Amino acid sequence: AQKVTQAQTEISVVEKEDVTLDCVYETRDTTYYLFWYKQPPSGELVFLIRRNSFDEQNEISGRYSWNFQKSTSSFNFTITASQVVDSAVYFCALSEVTGGSYIPTFGRGTSLIVHP
Amino acid sequence: KAGVTQTPRYLIKTRGQQVTLSCSPISGHRSVSWYQQTPGQGLQFLFEYFSETQRNKGNFPGRFSGRQFSNSRSEMNVSTLELGDSALYLCASKRTGAVEAFFGQGTRLTVV
Repeated sequence: AQKVTQAQTEISVVEKEDVTLDCVYETRDTTYYLFWYKQPPSGELVFLIRRNSFDEQNEISGRYSWNFQKSTSSFNFTITASQVVDSAVYFCALSEVTGGSYIPTFGRGTSLIVHP
Repeated sequence: KAGVTQTPRYLIKTRGQQVTLSCSPISGHRSVSWYQQTPGQGLQFLFEYFSETQRNKGNFPGRFSGRQFSNSRSEMNVSTLELGDSALYLCASKRTGAVEAFFGQGTRLTVV
């Protein structure tokens, strides 16, 4: 069975600090997808990034970067120079094929609080 | 392009009642999934509909049911409400063949 672990329940930083959110996953499939979502107080889950199991290239998008390492089954997310608007709960998710579709299993989330 | 729309945003119901939640997917998206989010259990998958057929189902009791209409809009119904059903219910839609899902803002259900 697939499993996603986000060991950090809550992280508190001061604005402009860099912060890394950890994600470790378990799966028996060779083909799978990993995601990060952001959930602001409004409740909506905002899609940030998708990675497939065959693409271990790191990705950078503005202040956000992701490090995917199959050897350690990790898909970590770094925010550089954090801002107050980054305060949210961040979810890592893993999808395998189920019944002809990809259904994500979510981690428990990491609450990031950025203080001014 | 409009996002996923869920109505109502907030609901208060009494134990034993039933409730229906609605979800309108992004235009052109035919897959709709429902999730329950609680502090204790996190985000849990309820079910997925595609072309008016339930394609996948999570591990929830039969009190939780859903359906999808020909325009891809979906409804979720919970009968005989229990206090433990209090949660944020999130709906997500996907394009055919896509992997990533796009979520609505959710319906916050409180059972008293």
